[in-house]
Amino acid sequence: AQSVTQLDSQVPVFEEAPVELRCNYSSSVSVYLFWYVQYPNQGLQLLLKYLSGSTLVESINGFEAEFNKSQTSFHLRKPSVHISDTAEYFCAVSGGNGNQFYFGTGTSLTVIP
Amino acid sequence: DTEVTQTPKHLVMGMTNKKSLKCEQHMGHRAMYWYKQKAKKPPELMFVYSYEKLSINESVPSRFSPECPNSSLLNLHLHALQPEDSALYLCASSQEIKDVWDRGTGELFFGEGSRLTVL
Repeated sequence: AQSVTQLDSQVPVFEEAPVELRCNYSSSVSVYLFWYVQYPNQGLQLLLKYLSGSTLVESINGFEAEFNKSQTSFHLRKPSVHISDTAEYFCAVSGGNGNQFYFGTGTSLTVIP
Repeated sequence: DTEVTQTPKHLVMGMTNKKSLKCEQHMGHRAMYWYKQKAKKPPELMFVYSYEKLSINESVPSRFSPECPNSSLLNLHLHALQPEDSALYLCASSQEIKDVWDRGTGELFFGEGSRLTVL
């Protein structure tokens, strides 16, 4: 069985400050890992994903996440946040050999001017 | 721009009404999903269609009836809903994983959702 834990339900941060959103997973098999972002009144958009290869993955808008197998983590980071980054962020895992996806409970990021 | 299109974007219905939500994708994906999402909560899986056949039903009440007319379309028929069914209904699609050697990209592509209000 797989599960995803996002320990921080709400993260307030000042504009231009760094941020880290934490994600831990449990799985007995190799996994794919994802971060999705959801802006108000919209669907979920893929922010970045880890399938294999380099453990550090980056998005086009400055976010990055590092897959750490020993700590079973996939934390999301950004060195300097913008107001427009205010959104709900969901970490997700899939088993890679099926079509079951498991979502974390989400982290609400609020960027304060 | 999302490549999964959902209609309508907003729907208000009474408890005795019959309505449908529609979803369309043209990415050639063979797995399609319905999720239900309440405010500030993660999406909850309702149904999965794989190669146009229902493969997963997460014990969803029969007042929700999914249909997959072809590989590009997914419908969710609604009848006799309750106010607690009010939520954002999300459609998604993904490449089907055929076997353990075909890992695909595993990514879910979501539509913008249909906001349902049951009065």
